[in-house]
Amino acid sequence: DIQMTQSPSSLSASVGDRVTITCRASQSISNCLNWYQQKPGIAPKLLIYGASSLQSGVPSRFSGSGSGTDFSLTISSLQPEDFATYYCQQVYNTPPFTFGQGTKLEIK
Amino acid sequence: EVQLVESGGGLVQPGGSLRLSCAASGFMFSRYAMHWVRQAPGKGLEYVSAISSIGDTTYYASSVKGRFTISRDNAKNTVYLQLDNLRPEDMAVYYCARGVAWNTNRWSHYFDQWGQGTLVTVSS
Repeated sequence: DIQMTQSPSSLSASVGDRVTITCRASQSISNCLNWYQQKPGIAPKLLIYGASSLQSGVPSRFSGSGSGTDFSLTISSLQPEDFATYYCQQVYNTPPFTFGQGTKLEIK
Repeated sequence: EVQLVESGGGLVQPGGSLRLSCAASGFMFSRYAMHWVRQAPGKGLEYVSAISSIGDTTYYASSVKGRFTISRDNAKNTVYLQLDNLRPEDMAVYYCARGVAWNTNRWSHYFDQWGQGTLVTVSS
């Protein structure tokens, strides 16, 4: 199975900050990479698919980039509602579609 | 409104079985592949299983292969996950999710709709 490694595992930031979370795949996955946001006790929410396509209804301060093995999720100006845990997921070829271990974004 | 509602979770002893259900509404269920994802308490997301739109193709994570079985009934708009020979490490909230193909590979999905999850507790 393809392994996904996110960094950092946790991150402290302030409202208005620009933050970037990275995700590395154990092999090339082209642009087959999704990003999700999860808040405690709630199902994950899709933010980005295909590495860089913004899901409908998601604020434009979220953006994704990358291809091959290295990807990133950037939040251009943190808002209070953005403090959550973020997961990358590879969707290359066929399942199983593994997730990264998550990045917890906390208020500084 | 699209809805996915899981049920069937509960307390089971190690070695026991459960069948989870995920009832879908608000969309053409038979046109979508469906997935199960789980999350152990305080841990991250773990991919579990997938089934094609017509149920002819299934996939499993290596951690559950041979013990879990995914199936669907398109007439009832429901996807199932049969959990057998349960282990303590299977304890988790189990989510079903709709898979949407976004490129020419029919399995390059994003999961745009999720249920609320159902908790499976494995303990003696």
